[in-house]
Amino acid sequence: QKEVEQDPGPLSVPEGAIVSLNCTYSNSAFQYFMWYRQYSRKGPELLMYTYSSGNKEDGRFTAQVDKSSKYISLFIRDSQPSDSATYLCAMSGPLIQGAQKLVFGQGTRLTINP
Amino acid sequence: DTEVTQTPKHLVMGMTNKKSLKCEQHMGHRAMYWYKQKAKKPPELMFVYSYEKLSINESVPSRFSPECPNSSLLNLHLHALQPEDSALYLCASSQDRTTGYTFGSGTRLTVV
Repeated sequence: QKEVEQDPGPLSVPEGAIVSLNCTYSNSAFQYFMWYRQYSRKGPELLMYTYSSGNKEDGRFTAQVDKSSKYISLFIRDSQPSDSATYLCAMSGPLIQGAQKLVFGQGTRLTINP
Repeated sequence: DTEVTQTPKHLVMGMTNKKSLKCEQHMGHRAMYWYKQKAKKPPELMFVYSYEKLSINESVPSRFSPECPNSSLLNLHLHALQPEDSALYLCASSQDRTTGYTFGSGTRLTVV
């Protein structure tokens, strides 16, 4: 079993729809949770970072963490064609010698259709 | 400056060549990372440098040799690579906190 499971999609929705992306994990040591967006042929870009269970909102994006269920989500409201990208969840435990070792999900390829 | 800069953007090399990938950041980040990413796969960790010392090597073959000359620079030296090593090589850096990485745009490497 992988430490982090993410449905690779692809996921295709119409413009303006609410998008829900999800990851589950098995390692109880994970404490820090991130969502990255990666456009084709580019490096991943950090979208959201959360530490505790609960919700965190930033513009059209909401990250949700449920540590009891080992489940994290990213919601995108009023989705735009420019949101079309691969979304990667990532998580880590405590720092290791000052560095953060991230474990990534498989990534979900999202397409927003105009 | 909030960027991680990687050069070159593209590299084609033969299996007998020696080449180097370069990564630079001026954000004062003290941890730097090399990741390898194959098409439609997530990034895979290769090496971690923390305070200019190699702290994690994810059992990477010796044909990949990392180097951290100073706190702003990270190199990846390549020698005798195989075609299956063709991938996007990503560099990242982070503060001494748990708030995620800043990634560069990557070097797309093709081994012929």
